[in-house]
Amino acid sequence: DIQMTQSPSSLSASVGDRVTITCQASQDITNHLAWFQQKPGKAPKSLIYAASSLQSGVPSKFSGSGSGTHFTLTITNLQPEDFATYYCQHYHNYPLTLGGGTKVEIK
Amino acid sequence: EVQLVESGGGLVQPGGSLRLSCAVSGFTFSDHYMDWVRQAPGKGLEWLGRTRNKVKSYTTEYAASVKGRFTISREDSKNLLFLQMNSLKTEDTAVYYCVRATSDTTGFYYFQSWGQGTLVSVSS
Repeated sequence: DIQMTQSPSSLSASVGDRVTITCQASQDITNHLAWFQQKPGKAPKSLIYAASSLQSGVPSKFSGSGSGTHFTLTITNLQPEDFATYYCQHYHNYPLTLGGGTKVEIK
Repeated sequence: EVQLVESGGGLVQPGGSLRLSCAVSGFTFSDHYMDWVRQAPGKGLEWLGRTRNKVKSYTTEYAASVKGRFTISREDSKNLLFLQMNSLKTEDTAVYYCVRATSDTTGFYYFQSWGQGTLVSVSS
């Protein structure tokens, strides 16, 4: 099974900040990597697929990059509605697996 | 508007069974692969399994943690996805989400849309 490791597990940031979350795959997944946002008590929301393609309706403040085993999610101009937990997930083979999540909190 | 609405959750005793449903609308259900994902209280997301579409003969894939106990099925004529859960354990307590998957340009399927989830509690 492919292991997905996210870092950091949590971070504190201020409104207006730029944050970067890292996701490492235990083996090459080319660009078969997705990112999700989840707010407390809510269903996850899909943000990015194919490592860097934005889902429809997702603002351009979210961006993804990487290929192979190393990936990043960057959020610019952090706003109150962006404080949430973010997950990465590979869809390269089965079983599909997700990272442990990164909680973005207000400083 | 794409909608996925799960139902069927509730309290069940260990060893019991439960069948979850996911009613979808706003897209051509029969074209899509569909997944189930769960989230235990205070924990992260866990993929459970997938059903492919009719073109791929409705074949399925499962996570090791549920293989042999959970079964995914679908009824395209009614836009319904199901998760039959047998031999339930206390560690199966979680919110269960149905997820629409769609193909990227390389032919691999990623999660596109999520339902709101339904809570399953396994306890005596």
